Amino acid sequence: AQSVSQHNHHVILSEAASLELGCNYSYGGTVNLFWYVQYPGQHLQLLLKYFSGDPLVKGIKGFEAEFIKSKFSFNLRKPSVQWSDTAEYFCAVVPAGGGSQGNLIFGKGTKLSVKP
Amino acid sequence: ETGVTQSPTHLIKTRGQQVTLRCSSQSGHNTVSWYQQALGQGPQFIFQYYREEENGRGNFPPRFSGLQFPNYSSELNVNALELDDSALYLCASSLLRAYTMEGYTFGSGTRLTVV
Repeated sequence: AQSVSQHNHHVILSEAASLELGCNYSYGGTVNLFWYVQYPGQHLQLLLKYFSGDPLVKGIKGFEAEFIKSKFSFNLRKPSVQWSDTAEYFCAVVPAGGGSQGNLIFGKGTKLSVKP
Repeated sequence: ETGVTQSPTHLIKTRGQQVTLRCSSQSGHNTVSWYQQALGQGPQFIFQYYREEENGRGNFPPRFSGLQFPNYSSELNVNALELDDSALYLCASSLLRAYTMEGYTFGSGTRLTVV
């Protein structure tokens, strides 16, 4: 069965530190990849997505992610975090191609706490 | 663009009871998916509705059922509630087969507590 692994349960950083959140998936075929963010008390919001083309994807709020097919990874990065980035981050995949309903398979999430 | 709205926001039910959760999809979206997010976990796919029919289902028992209406709004029904059903239930709308273009829009969820 397809699955998504997020390596860190809780990451604590100081403002201006660099961020990298790991995400690996298990699926042998083509996938579409997403990172969602959930701010406290708010709904899931799309940070960025990858479908094809340049494996380095830029999203909102200065986030980017790199798809490395050989490693089945889609790590999220931000050069300098802010206190307002405190949130929970979810990696998700959708198997692409015919027969897929397009349902998202989520990782367990990584809680990011940024200290001012 | 109105976004996805869910009601109610919070709900407390007793074990064995039945519950109905509601979702209004984003304007222009024809597909609704439901997810269960237990505490400390990522959302788990329950099922998806398209043109008022179930279009895919995750690993959830039949006591989880749904409906989609002609205006694309949707309901999630859970019968014979169990304590483990306590979770945040998320609704997401999209355009079928166009999810690669627009992705999903999520509602804020309904927090269900079963006691």
